[in-house]
Amino acid sequence: EAGVVQSPRYKIIEKKQPVAFWCNPISGHNTLYWYRQNLGQGPELLIRYENEEAVDDSQLPKDRFSAERLKGVDSTLKIQPAELGDSAVYLCASGAEWGGLAGDQETQYFGPGTRLLVL
Amino acid sequence: AQSVTQPDIHITVSEGASLELRCNYSYGATPYLFWYVQSPGQGLQLLLKYFSGDTLVQGIKGFEAEFKRSQSSFNLRKPSVHWSDAAEYFCAVGAKTSYDKVIFGPGTSLSVIP
Repeated sequence: EAGVVQSPRYKIIEKKQPVAFWCNPISGHNTLYWYRQNLGQGPELLIRYENEEAVDDSQLPKDRFSAERLKGVDSTLKIQPAELGDSAVYLCASGAEWGGLAGDQETQYFGPGTRLLVL
Repeated sequence: AQSVTQPDIHITVSEGASLELRCNYSYGATPYLFWYVQSPGQGLQLLLKYFSGDTLVQGIKGFEAEFKRSQSSFNLRKPSVHWSDAAEYFCAVGAKTSYDKVIFGPGTSLSVIP
């Protein structure tokens, strides 16, 4: 079974430039998460989707960050314009649908992440 | 809201020695608990999880964790560490409803001395 796919793996941009990250979740997973992981810290949730709906975007800095999951499968996270403080690893994770089998509800499967460096 | 603490920022052990990584959580009800491992440049891999039932949970790679409600802890253990276990370990707490998020601890970095 293929895992969560993310691209690109690395990205270096200058501040004020736009950047986009792409994620393809595990087949059949309805829930998709975007996290930001700063150096030496645990992941912090940016946004969670259930199918096409963003059910939790309370931690997403909406002035510069946007995300979409138009067909309920793959997703794109965008930053425009990027700032120096946005340098981090952006992780995508997917999980089984809420209300599914007990034990699958909260297990998230992570992609390898996109390492962003803003200069 | 739930929270997670991992008191040890960094731990060094000798290969073959036993390991215990500490995790304490705060949550109003019985939580879902997880341990993830992250190797350098990689995403997070699930080691084990606790949802209910037996408080001693077995995971992959020879790891186990024990849920202690009275201590609000979910410590990770391994009887004999291998050099390949050197990585960052994250404890996480989730909720029983779809309205709560999974919160990750700050992580414990494990170094293994040959």
